Amino acid sequence: AQSVAQPEDQVNVAEGNPLTVKCTYSVSGNPYLFWYVQYPNRGLQFLLKYITGDNLVKGSYGFEAEFNKSQTSFHLKKPSALVSDSALYFCAVRDDTGGFKTIFGAGTRLFVKA
Amino acid sequence: NAGVMQNPRHLVRRRGQEARLRCSPMKGHSHVYWYRQLPEEGLKFMVYLQKENIIDESGMPKERFSAEFPKEGPSILRIQQVVRGDSAAYFCASSPRDRNTGELFFGEGSRLTVL
Repeated sequence: AQSVAQPEDQVNVAEGNPLTVKCTYSVSGNPYLFWYVQYPNRGLQFLLKYITGDNLVKGSYGFEAEFNKSQTSFHLKKPSALVSDSALYFCAVRDDTGGFKTIFGAGTRLFVKA
Repeated sequence: NAGVMQNPRHLVRRRGQEARLRCSPMKGHSHVYWYRQLPEEGLKFMVYLQKENIIDESGMPKERFSAEFPKEGPSILRIQQVVRGDSAAYFCASSPRDRNTGELFFGEGSRLTVL
C-alpha cells in the first residue's frame, strides 16, 4: 500500500534563508512523486513532480525537490524563502503499477517571517 | 480553458439533510477524484471515477456516501443524512485520460458545514 509521511507539522524560516520541507514515501512499485501548495480557502496547486530521470526536479516559484531512492525521500527545497511562500505544502505519491490513486501526506505548514 | 469547477463553494446543512456537491472537470479530462479535508488535516482519498464508472471507491464510507460521474454533466458527491462529522472541505480533482504520471488539477473546494 502507498503511504506518505511529512514528519513536520510546521516549518518556520526567515525570509531570504533556505527552506526544506521533508517528505518520505512508501510504494509497491516505482514512485511518482508530487508536491502541491495550498493557500487559505483555496484548492491545491501543483508545484513539481518526479517521474523518472534526474533526481533533482525544478518547479514553479523557484521550488525544487530531490528524489532519493535509497532514503525513499522527496524533500522540497528553495534557496531563498519569501514571505509569500507561507502556505500549506503537501507531498503526494502514486505508483507505476497501473493505479491512479494519489495519496497525500498530512501537510506541512510553512511560515516565512520577514 | 476553464479549470475544475466545483459548486457550491459553501453549503450549510442541518443534521439529517442531504448534501450534493458538484464537480465539472477540466475540458478534455475524463478522470475525476474526490478528496476530503478535515480541519487541520491532510487530504483523504475518497473515490476515483471515469465517465459512467467508479474505478476505486476504497476511501468512501460504506454508508450514506455515494458518487457518480454520468456520461453528460458533472460528477456528483452525495452525502445522505449528514452528521456533524461530515463537516469538511471536499475537493474534486481531474486528470487527462491515460496519464497516470500526470499531476492532478484541483477545484477550489466545497465547504460543508453541518449544524
